[in-house]
Amino acid sequence: SYVLTQPPSVSVAPGKTARITCGGNNIGSKSVHWYQQKPGQAPVLVIYDDSDRPSGIPERFSGSNSGNTATLTISRVEAGDEADYYCQVWDSSSDHYVFGTGTKVTVL
Amino acid sequence: QLQLQESGPGLVKPSETPSLTCTVSGGSISSTSYYWGWIRQPPGKRLEWIGSIYYSGRTYYNPSLKSRVTISVDTSKNQFSLKLSSVTAADTAVYYCARHILGYCSTSSCYLNWFDPWGQGTLVTVSS
Repeated sequence: SYVLTQPPSVSVAPGKTARITCGGNNIGSKSVHWYQQKPGQAPVLVIYDDSDRPSGIPERFSGSNSGNTATLTISRVEAGDEADYYCQVWDSSSDHYVFGTGTKVTVL
Repeated sequence: QLQLQESGPGLVKPSETPSLTCTVSGGSISSTSYYWGWIRQPPGKRLEWIGSIYYSGRTYYNPSLKSRVTISVDTSKNQFSLKLSSVTAADTAVYYCARHILGYCSTSSCYLNWFDPWGQGTLVTVSS
């Protein structure tokens, strides 16, 4: 089945930029969605269709997708951005909705 | 505002078949634009899609769980449910329900998109 690989952790200072990658075979040909999950809470959609933001999500959150890597970028990081982040795609070969391994973002 | 709320047994014994229900409020489960999905998350692990259902009853299941999963819908109650048979400790997880956005359908299949919004989740622990 399709595998999505994310770095286990990313650390970033407040006010700086965090980049979270999601690697998959030819992922650039798929639509990638990103979720934020804070401890003890349900996931929240932060990016859909590679780079679109749902209403209520700050402009600081952006996404891109090309080749074998999709990227979630968080600009001007705030303490409240500390969370786990998951990417998700549809694997057409198995008709299966796949989540990435998850990345824990720590704000220093 | 659309809200989803899971309910479930909490603690179940190995080999049992627990049933979980998701109640949708603030919108109709019979909308033609959405499927309704179940996702689970074992403690400290990643999210795993279990399956999704349309108001008509059409379902899609995770191939690795398909033999043990049944998802059904009750439009009169604005609810959908999950049954997972022959559970083991490996099925211990927080179970979430979520709206699954419909992309497009061909003559044979539908393509679904992202999950939004999600319920708060319910913990199911499998232990004797």
